[in-house]
Amino acid sequence: GAGVSQTPSNKVTEKGKYVELRCDPISGHTALYWYRQSLGQGPEFLIYFQGTGAADDSGLPNDRFFAVRPEGSVSTLKIQRTERGDSAVYLCASSLGRNYGAFFGQGTRLTVV
Amino acid sequence: SQQGEEDPQALSIQEGENATMNCSYKTSINNLQWYRQNSGRGLVHLILIRSNEREKHSGRLRVTLDTSKKSSSLLITASRAADTASYFCATDARNQGGKLIFGQGTELSVKP
Repeated sequence: GAGVSQTPSNKVTEKGKYVELRCDPISGHTALYWYRQSLGQGPEFLIYFQGTGAADDSGLPNDRFFAVRPEGSVSTLKIQRTERGDSAVYLCASSLGRNYGAFFGQGTRLTVV
Repeated sequence: SQQGEEDPQALSIQEGENATMNCSYKTSINNLQWYRQNSGRGLVHLILIRSNEREKHSGRLRVTLDTSKKSSSLLITASRAADTASYFCATDARNQGGKLIFGQGTELSVKP
């Protein structure tokens, strides 16, 4: 596709459920980032991939959060046992690597009720 | 914790005026980037400035970088109502392998 695609655009789930958020980066982009953003705040770093491997997962808040990128393209962010505090917009971005700007998707708005 | 901090948090100006936003950061950087976000979700990349550069221009945008003060500024000249958005700086710290850390942003309102 022409840009970074995130699905679903909105997700409402019940507390305690498992969710998966998908990111389709721009073809050929080796770097992929996940962020989450709450209203009025800047994007909070979660995890960064170079190729298939997680180069830095220091932003994942706890072990309920996990992300994969098995073939170096599509990435999935997985959240187990969701909590109301997980509600936010989850943003994905991709780039050609360091010293290149990142292209963002439109985000997935996750609401945990 | 966030690496960059923008100042001011909010800025309101009239169309045609210039808008200046500042970003301060804490550690040595490989590059610093500015992004824009309209209400909604996606961020749009504006400019990337490397640590060995001091100034870059793109259309009505001018970015400066002072590594001795660990600060950057974004100047939007001849602002338009359509420039109303939140603006974020993001740093690629030298020893962090390439991850981008964002600040809290400046909310710019340009009144027609």
